[in-house]
Amino acid sequence: DQQVKQNSPSLSVQEGRISILNCDYTNSMFDYFLWYKKYPAEGPTFLISISSIKDKNEDGRFTVFLNKSAKHLSLHIVPSQPGDSAVYFCAATKNEKLTFGTGTRLTIIP
Amino acid sequence: DVKVTQSSRYLVKRTGEKVFLECVQDMDHENMFWYRQDPGLGLRLIYFSYDVKMKEKGDIPEGYSVSREKKERFSLILESASTNQTSMYLCATLAGGPISGANVLTFGAGSRLTVL
Repeated sequence: DQQVKQNSPSLSVQEGRISILNCDYTNSMFDYFLWYKKYPAEGPTFLISISSIKDKNEDGRFTVFLNKSAKHLSLHIVPSQPGDSAVYFCAATKNEKLTFGTGTRLTIIP
Repeated sequence: DVKVTQSSRYLVKRTGEKVFLECVQDMDHENMFWYRQDPGLGLRLIYFSYDVKMKEKGDIPEGYSVSREKKERFSLILESASTNQTSMYLCATLAGGPISGANVLTFGAGSRLTVL
């Protein structure tokens, strides 16, 4: 049972434009939602998070939106840069356990 | 910064071999995790440990075991490797307490295992 889903396996965006990565979840008891970024041959690195009691969190070019009624979150990257090309995983947590989505490969086209 | 070291970056093993994947962290974190990453499946939790000599099954523990004899070291063991265990294995650590925006998993660089 996939509790966290990323329905788009890949996404291509022109440099300078907005990248929007989406994530859906089924468990309404999750406390926090996180986004991780992964380059090839490296471990995932934490990018940004949002508490389940918030609906938006912003950090520089990265903004995460949470829609609890729809059980949906999204990551916006503005403007997109070539270094943003990576696999992005959304994840949701209850206490010490983190459940990951399947990942979206983002490619920024110069 | 927390450093999570996975000593073997690339391994090639034969079916039936016993495989040890080692993970060492230097920040005194209580919690340690083993995930595997496969295309289209994301990261799936194999086992985790919240204290020395303690272990808990994750979502896909079959075919694996773990050992945590010291706080800084968490080992993943494949007793008899099979081809469907070919994957990228990722170790992660977490300070004590629940995951939040301020307390997140820190991952090692990964160990890519190929079982022939």
